Amino acid sequence: DVKVTQSSRYLVKRTGEKVFLECVQDMDHENMFWYRQDPGLGLRLIYFSYDVKMKEKGDIPEGYSVSREKKERFSLILESASTNQTSMYLCASTPWGSEQFFGPGTRLTVL
Amino acid sequence: QKEVEQNSGPLSVPEGAIASLNCTYSDRGSQSFFWYRQYSGKSPELIMSIYSNGDKEDGRFTAQLNKASQYVSLLIRDSQPSDSATYLCAVPQTGANNLFFGTGTRLTVIP
Repeated sequence: DVKVTQSSRYLVKRTGEKVFLECVQDMDHENMFWYRQDPGLGLRLIYFSYDVKMKEKGDIPEGYSVSREKKERFSLILESASTNQTSMYLCASTPWGSEQFFGPGTRLTVL
Repeated sequence: QKEVEQNSGPLSVPEGAIASLNCTYSDRGSQSFFWYRQYSGKSPELIMSIYSNGDKEDGRFTAQLNKASQYVSLLIRDSQPSDSATYLCAVPQTGANNLFFGTGTRLTVIP
């Protein structure tokens, strides 16, 4: 079974803090994705990566950056957290052109 | 027009009834289609994929695809309270590895 893990299930941070969310997959998938999910807005793509050290902006990249130094690990960075970044963050991975497998999610609260 | 549209619901059905969830998509070139189930506070999990016109059955679940009309549906027979969740339709972006997700339909099965 594909396993995608995320570093934290719940996280509380203060405005202005730098926040790191980590995602690890164990199936050697090339593609990894970061989404946020908010009530009524569905899943919104923040960034994705199709190879090590490669990254592409999604629909809402502002305020975020990513890092992919190893194939299995994809990190999402909030450079200076703000209250409007309070959300559920979901990581997913996929081999080429196939369904995505999601991690358990991180519920981030920014105070 | 959004790439993927779902009837937003909410949808309520009595236990034992058939629940019908619908999704339309805009890209005629789409070749694969996915249904995800998401319980409250959890991440999406893949429950069905369909690639060819017609029906695909898996236990109580049936996915139906009509490429000419650009819609895909999910039928849940003998609905159970444990089926209460939000169901997301997803379609790959042509030529890319991203998925377009619908905003989801919330289903409640009433005992």
